[in-house]
Parts: sequence; C-alpha cells; structure tokens
Amino acid sequence: EAGVAQSPRYKIIEKRQSVAFWCNPISGHATLYWYQQILGQGPKLLIQFQNNGVVDDSQLPKDRFSAERLKGVDSTLKIQPAKLEDSAVYLCASSPIGGKGGELFFGSGTQLSVL
Amino acid sequence: AQSVTQPDIHITVSEGASLELRCNYSYGATPYLFWYVQSPGQGLQLLLNYFSGDTLVQGIKGFEAEFKRSQSSFNLRKPSVHWSDAAEYFCAVGASTGFQKLVFGTGTRLLVSP
Repeated sequence: EAGVAQSPRYKIIEKRQSVAFWCNPISGHATLYWYQQILGQGPKLLIQFQNNGVVDDSQLPKDRFSAERLKGVDSTLKIQPAKLEDSAVYLCASSPIGGKGGELFFGSGTQLSVL
Repeated sequence: AQSVTQPDIHITVSEGASLELRCNYSYGATPYLFWYVQSPGQGLQLLLNYFSGDTLVQGIKGFEAEFKRSQSSFNLRKPSVHWSDAAEYFCAVGASTGFQKLVFGTGTRLLVSP
C-alpha cells in the first residue's frame, strides 16, 4: 500500500513570496490533515478535511494560508505571502473513516525555509 | 481544550538499558492517547494508542505504555533500548468523540549511547 505522498521535499523562498505544497493521501482515506511543525515543537493542526469539506481550520492563519481538497482526494496548501515565522515542516496526514481514531498516517513532510 | 506535556526535551540512554518517556495530559473527558515516533527526515509513525480497557497497551517495536487516570499520565516504556530507537517521540491526546483532532506534545528526543 502506497503511503502519503508529499512534494516538494524541500523549499527555500524569500519572505513575501508565495509557495504551495501538495499532498496525495492513502487511497480511500477520507480524512486529510495539514500540520505545521516548527523546529523544537510538536505538530500543530492547521486544517482538517473530510472528503472535500473543511472540518476544522480554526488554527489556519487565513490571511495568508489557504488549502483546498478538490474532488476529495489530493490537497494543496498555499502560503501567500510567506513570513519568516512560517519556516517549518509541513506534514500531511490521512486517516480512513471508521478507522481507530487518531491513527493518522503521515507523509515525510515538506521542509520550508523562509529567508 | 486538551493539552499534552512532555517534560523531558532530551533523554540519553545506554543501549540495552530500559527507557521511560513521560507524558502528562489535560482533558476533561476520557481521552484517546497516542505515542508517535519520528525519525530524522521522516513523518510520524504510530507506536501505540489507548482508547479504553486494559490500561497497559502494547505497541510496535517492543514499546508499551500505561494509562494512569489518577496521574493524568501515559508514559512510554521499553525494557531494552536498541540504537535504532534513537528518534523523537511525541505523545498526543485526542477527543473521545467527534472528528479526531490530535494535540501533540513538544516531543522528547531520545539519544542512545553505545
């Protein structure tokens, strides 16, 4: 079974530029999550989708971050414009409906450096 | 709202020695508790989780954890550490109802000395 795919693996941009991350969850997983992991901290949930609907985006900085999950499969997270404090690893995870709650399957992440 | 505290930022253990990583949670109802491991440059992998029933749960790679409601703790243990266990370990708590939203602790980095 293929895992959660994320790209790119690394991204370096200058502040005020825009950037986009892509995630393809495990086939059949209805729930998709984007987490932000700042160095030295645990992952923080940015947004959660159930199919193509948003379940929770309470911690998403909506003035600069946006995410979509068209057709309920893959997802894109965008930052525009980026700030220095956005430097982090962005993790995508997925889980099946009816799966044991919390059993999230994570991708390897995209490491973003904002200069 | 739920929260997790992992008081140890770093722990160094000799190979073959036992290990205990501490986790304390705060949640008003019955929590769902998890331990994830993250190797360098990798995503997180689930080691074990607790929902209900037996308070001692077994996970992968020889890890176990014990839920102690009276202490609001869910400590992770392993009787004999291997060099390959060096990684970052995250404790997480989720709500027992509704859509799963995990709150993670800040992690404990495990170093294994020869």
